Amino acid sequence: GAVVSQHPSWVICKSGTSVKIECRSLDFQATTMFWYRQFPKQSLMLMATSNEGSKATYEQGVEKDKFLINHASLTLSTLTVTSAHPEDSSFYICSAGSGGHGNTIYFGEGSWLTVV
Amino acid sequence: DAKTTQPNSMESNEEEPVHLPCNHSTISGTDYIHWYRQLPSQGPEYVIHGLTSNVNNRMASLAIAEDRKSSTLILHRATLRDAAVYYCILSERGSNYKLTFGKGTLLTVNP
Repeated sequence: GAVVSQHPSWVICKSGTSVKIECRSLDFQATTMFWYRQFPKQSLMLMATSNEGSKATYEQGVEKDKFLINHASLTLSTLTVTSAHPEDSSFYICSAGSGGHGNTIYFGEGSWLTVV
Repeated sequence: DAKTTQPNSMESNEEEPVHLPCNHSTISGTDYIHWYRQLPSQGPEYVIHGLTSNVNNRMASLAIAEDRKSSTLILHRATLRDAAVYYCILSERGSNYKLTFGKGTLLTVNP
C-alpha cells in the first residue's frame, strides 16, 4: 500500500538553531500534505496544510514564521522549525492522501525533536 | 469540524473480540468515517474507513449504524499487539484529506 516516510526519525538540536524535517510520499503523488504535532500523552494537533506549489495554510495559533513549510514537489514536503526552543520539543507527524475524498490517508512514522 | 465521541479507555482479554464505539451525531451525508490506531512513539496506522456500508479488511470490521450517527470498530480476536490508542475521525468533503483528531480510546489487552 501507499507509504509516507519521514526523516529524520529523531533529532536533537541546540536552542536557537533551525531544524528541517522531511515528509515523502513514496509511491503516490500528494498535492496536499498535513503537519501535526503531538505532545506526550496528548492527541495529534494539526499545525498546517502543505500545498504543492503554493503557500501553506496554518491553523490558528501556529506561527507561520517559526514553522516554515515548503512543498516543492508532489512527493516532498518539509517542515523547518526556526530558532527552536525547548518548548518546541515534540513529536512531529505528517500525513498525505491521494485519489480524492474517501480514499485512504496515510501517516508518516513521526519525527521526535528535542531542543536542548 | 464534525466531532466524534469515544470512551477514554477500554479493556479486553487476549483472543476475545473487541467492540470500540464511536458516536458522530452531527455527521453529514458525505462524511467518511476513518479509524486509525497509534502505538507510543509511532505515527497513526490506518485501520479501516467507510461511508455507509459495513466494511471488512484483514485488520478489522467497521459496523456503521443505519442512521450513520454511530459506528463500531470490531477487532475479531484481540492480541497484545492491538493495544493502542484508537481514533475515530470524520473526513468532510472538501477538506482534502484533513483529519482532526480527538482524544481516542486507549485499548488495553490483557494476556
